Amino acid sequence: DQQVKQNSPSLSVQEGRISILNCDYTNSMFDYFLWYKKYPAEGPTFLISISSIKDKNEDGRFTVFLNKSAKHLSLHIVPSQPGDSAVYFCAASVYNQGGKLIFGQGTELSVKP
Amino acid sequence: GAGVSQTPSNKVTEKGKYVELRCDPISGHTALYWYRQSLGQGPEFLIYFQGTGAADDSGLPNDRFFAVRPEGSVSTLKIQRTERGDSAVYLCASSFWGTGPKTEAFFGQGTRLTVV
Repeated sequence: DQQVKQNSPSLSVQEGRISILNCDYTNSMFDYFLWYKKYPAEGPTFLISISSIKDKNEDGRFTVFLNKSAKHLSLHIVPSQPGDSAVYFCAASVYNQGGKLIFGQGTELSVKP
Repeated sequence: GAGVSQTPSNKVTEKGKYVELRCDPISGHTALYWYRQSLGQGPEFLIYFQGTGAADDSGLPNDRFFAVRPEGSVSTLKIQRTERGDSAVYLCASSFWGTGPKTEAFFGQGTRLTVV
């Protein structure tokens, strides 16, 4: 039962262009969503989050959009840089479950110079 | 310390042996989490501590897995009678969850466990 799904295992983008990573979820109880970035041999690093009461959160080059009716969120990176090449994980939680995160399978982003 | 520290970074053990994996969370973080990540998958929740007590252990796959956090800081994940299917990267994370506004969890670099 995969409650959080990232259907694209990989994405390749040209430097300077927009990267769009997608995530779908099934559990309507999720009320907090996060994106993590992971380099090889390192732990995931927090990137950006969004509460279910919002539909957009922006931090520099990174913007997360939440569409609750579609149970879909996306991460936009503009402009993409080669250093953004990593695996990106979408994660979701229910606030009264103590911060326990349910992760998607990840999308490997490759930004080519 | 500055971040979440996990030791060892790599562990190779024989099938049937017992292993302990250690996690040193960020100082002051009350919540501590263990996850397991298999190849090509996202991290999978195992157990969550709030202080010294296990608040949610619903992700532990079976009774061979056990975790403790006796003083509310360092945690040890213990695996008995290891099986080849236990091979994965075990990730620890900590956060201020439960003490105020929602905050993100900070992850350690993981322990890569290989059971041969």
